[in-house]
Amino acid sequence: SYEVIQPVSVSVALGQTASITCEGNGIGGKNVHWNQQHSGQAPVLVMYRDSNRPSGIPERFSGSNSGNTATLTISRAQAGDEANYYCQVWDSGTVVFGGGTRLTVL
Amino acid sequence: EMQLVESGGGLVQPGGSLRLSCAASGFTLSDHYIDWVRQAPGKGLEWVGRTRNKANGYTGEYAASVKGRFTISRDESENSVYLQMNSLKTEDTAIYYCTRVPVGASGSNDYYFDYWGQGTLVSVSS
Repeated sequence: SYEVIQPVSVSVALGQTASITCEGNGIGGKNVHWNQQHSGQAPVLVMYRDSNRPSGIPERFSGSNSGNTATLTISRAQAGDEANYYCQVWDSGTVVFGGGTRLTVL
Repeated sequence: EMQLVESGGGLVQPGGSLRLSCAASGFTLSDHYIDWVRQAPGKGLEWVGRTRNKANGYTGEYAASVKGRFTISRDESENSVYLQMNSLKTEDTAIYYCTRVPVGASGSNDYYFDYWGQGTLVSVSS
């Protein structure tokens, strides 16, 4: 079965840029989607089809996908961005989630 | 306003059954695939299964971990989707979320969730 690997944690200084990666064999050929989950809350879609932002998601969030790595980039990080982030792809009829990355804003 | 509201969670003994409900509002339920995703305490997200839309016959598919034990159904007149869980195991303990797949995104390699419910907690323990 297809696996996607995320770093367990990423730290970023307030106002700086954070990059969260999602690695998988040939993931550049797949559509990658990202969900944000604040502590105790339901996930929220923050990026779809690699680099598309849903309505209401700030322009500070951007995405890219090439080769074996997809990346969610958060510019000018704010305290409210501190959350778990999950990448998600489709493979062989099933939905596959990465293990999640805890973003800490220092 | 688009909403998905889960209910029906609770404590159940191993081997028992439980039915979760997902009440949908603010959109035409029959146009959309609806999936269930779960999250064990302190763990990541795990896909459970889906019910396709009316155009695709409301058919279902399930993760290997629940296949044969869980069944997803719909009642369009009630604007609701249900997750019937039988032969429950301790490892089924999780928050269960219902999610909506946007129209046009239910094809191969283009499948994601644009709305999530708030979740309902299922605890399987003796």
